[in-house]
Amino acid sequence: EIQLQESGPGLVKPSQSLSLTCSVTGYTITSGYDWSWIRKFPGNKMEWMGYISYSGSTNYNPSLKSRISITRDTSKNQFFLQLNSVTTEDTATYYCARDTTDYSFDYWGQGVMVTVSS
Amino acid sequence: DIQLTQSPSSMSASLGDRVSLTCQSSQGIGNYLSWYQHKPGKPPKPMIYYATNLADGVPSRFSGSRSGSDYSLTISSLESEDTAIYYCLQYDEYPWTFGGGTKLELK
Repeated sequence: EIQLQESGPGLVKPSQSLSLTCSVTGYTITSGYDWSWIRKFPGNKMEWMGYISYSGSTNYNPSLKSRISITRDTSKNQFFLQLNSVTTEDTATYYCARDTTDYSFDYWGQGVMVTVSS
Repeated sequence: DIQLTQSPSSMSASLGDRVSLTCQSSQGIGNYLSWYQHKPGKPPKPMIYYATNLADGVPSRFSGSRSGSDYSLTISSLESEDTAIYYCLQYDEYPWTFGGGTKLELK
């Protein structure tokens, strides 16, 4: 069974960096597909942030392009999100998900709530 | 970016009702539209992919349809477990974008 699990700090100070890990079990992230980060804001708006592909290429939402980085550790079957210079507007629940292109996002992590506050 | 407009933003219906939620795209996306059900404390659950295809494990009372740039998610007979926020997502053109969601409640 494919499972994804986010982890990381639940509180980040403004202007600092947000760093999250997505640990994947049941599927090797280098075998195929794209591996995305998605967030849901208070108020229910959802935003696709970007992905790292099975080959290691990345694609980011232009709204975040200057602040976001998605990387991976293939030895641990994990991928990571770094979002720089965060503000209170980045307070959200962050999800990692597998993007199959044809089937869209078919597996999701449980989500991790991140609050940006001093 | 492609804009998806969901309507209504919220609604209430009774058990057994037929419910239709709509999602309108600002430009052509073909059938590259999916629907997700989101309940508090859980991850979004895939319901429909490629506009009309039922995701694995989704009850047959759910269906998806398309008419031009208008997409619908229909529940043929509402059950209590269907209360949630429903989102559409277009995956035709980057950046992928979500609709604003429809909150479905029981009357």
